[in-house]
Amino acid sequence: RKEVEQDPGPFNVPEGATVAFNCTYSNSASQSFFWYRQDCRKEPKLLMSVYSSGNEDGRFTAQLNRASQYISLLIRDSKLSDSATYLCVVNEASGNTGKLIFGQGTTLQVKP
Amino acid sequence: DAGITQSPRHKVTETGTPVTLRCHQTENHRYMYWYRQDPGHGLRLIHYSYGVKDTDKGEVSDGYSVSRSKTEDFLLTLESATSSQTSVYFCAISDPGGSTDTQYFGPGTRLTVL
Repeated sequence: RKEVEQDPGPFNVPEGATVAFNCTYSNSASQSFFWYRQDCRKEPKLLMSVYSSGNEDGRFTAQLNRASQYISLLIRDSKLSDSATYLCVVNEASGNTGKLIFGQGTTLQVKP
Repeated sequence: DAGITQSPRHKVTETGTPVTLRCHQTENHRYMYWYRQDPGHGLRLIHYSYGVKDTDKGEVSDGYSVSRSKTEDFLLTLESATSSQTSVYFCAISDPGGSTDTQYFGPGTRLTVL
């Protein structure tokens, strides 16, 4: 079983749609969770951190369910510019190395 | 954007030749990481450094070595490149326990080994 699993997609949605991505992680001791965005042939960039209470940043909402060990990302009112790959990221729980475990990513394509 | 640069940005080389990739940061972050990204595998950690001259192996370290003689520079060396090392290489920085535990990435190096 992979440490961080995501549905690779692609998710093809029309502009204005709401789309949700889920991710599961295997290490129950992980403490930090993130969503990164990666555009084609570019580096990953931090989209948002994910907190236990859930957090929102504009059209983006992230949720964490520790009991089920899954993380979600909801995008409302999709824009063409949201087309990218979204990486679910979890810290490696052992030690304070800052090491992260990356999912393979979920590809989103927003169509006009 | 975090001050991270990578050089070269693109390189084509032949099997058996040595290759060194450089990562340079201006953020004074303690931790630096080298990843490779391949289709179907996502980002995988090769080596990381937690200070000058302090390095450790990651998930896919075989065939790679690293060095960090200054806070700002982290070098990745392929002693004898193989075709399986054709990949996109990303450097990242963070400061866990300090200013930020999130990782910020450089623009990447596309390496092709023929």
